[in-house]
Amino acid sequence: DTGVSQNPRHKITKRGQNVTFRCDPISEHNRLYWYRQTLGQGPEFLTYFQNEAQLEKSRLLSDRFSAERPKGSFSTLEIQRTEQGDSAMYLCASSLQSGTDGYTFGSGTRLTVV
Amino acid sequence: GDSVTQMEGPVTLSEEAFLTINCTYTATGYPSLFWYVQYPGEGLQLLLKATKADDKGSNKGFEATYRKETTSFHLEKGSVQVSDSAVYFCALLSGGSYIPTFGRGTSLIVHP
Repeated sequence: DTGVSQNPRHKITKRGQNVTFRCDPISEHNRLYWYRQTLGQGPEFLTYFQNEAQLEKSRLLSDRFSAERPKGSFSTLEIQRTEQGDSAMYLCASSLQSGTDGYTFGSGTRLTVV
Repeated sequence: GDSVTQMEGPVTLSEEAFLTINCTYTATGYPSLFWYVQYPGEGLQLLLKATKADDKGSNKGFEATYRKETTSFHLEKGSVQVSDSAVYFCALLSGGSYIPTFGRGTSLIVHP
């Protein structure tokens, strides 16, 4: 297993366009998380899945954001009608059920909205 | 709610100096505590963890002790290297929660 994989690594888009990011977690991890990180800040929780069920969403996740994990494996995060304030690093992480062993993060997708 | 407070950075040290990065927390119950490291352009990597009071997590020369009485989990290393230059994040996971809370991160710069 090569760890958590995120694609693309970088995305530049024009304001108002839609973007989609993909995350492939570690195969035996049933929990998958999306975080957003802006410069000089720690990761901010967006949403998480247990298998295919989306169990919690942050209030940071506006109506323009949607996440799916259709078969309990990979996940996608879509941002519709992007705004400049959406520019950030989007991090995906996965873990086993308890989480006390820590979380494995991907390298992130850096989004720039121009 | 849960929160993690880290010392402001950047922390600038010369190679072989002693490192301390302070971390204190507020949480319900008895959280698990973590330190993560982030190198430029990369995601976070788990550095060490402790799951109960007085536990000491250690990895790659870094150590941190879970101090319940002072609600702290300070990161230490006896002799830093240039390759340790990165951003370090303290995090907690409250009992019964599945969502870790992260601090703002502390940048470490080590000069030769």
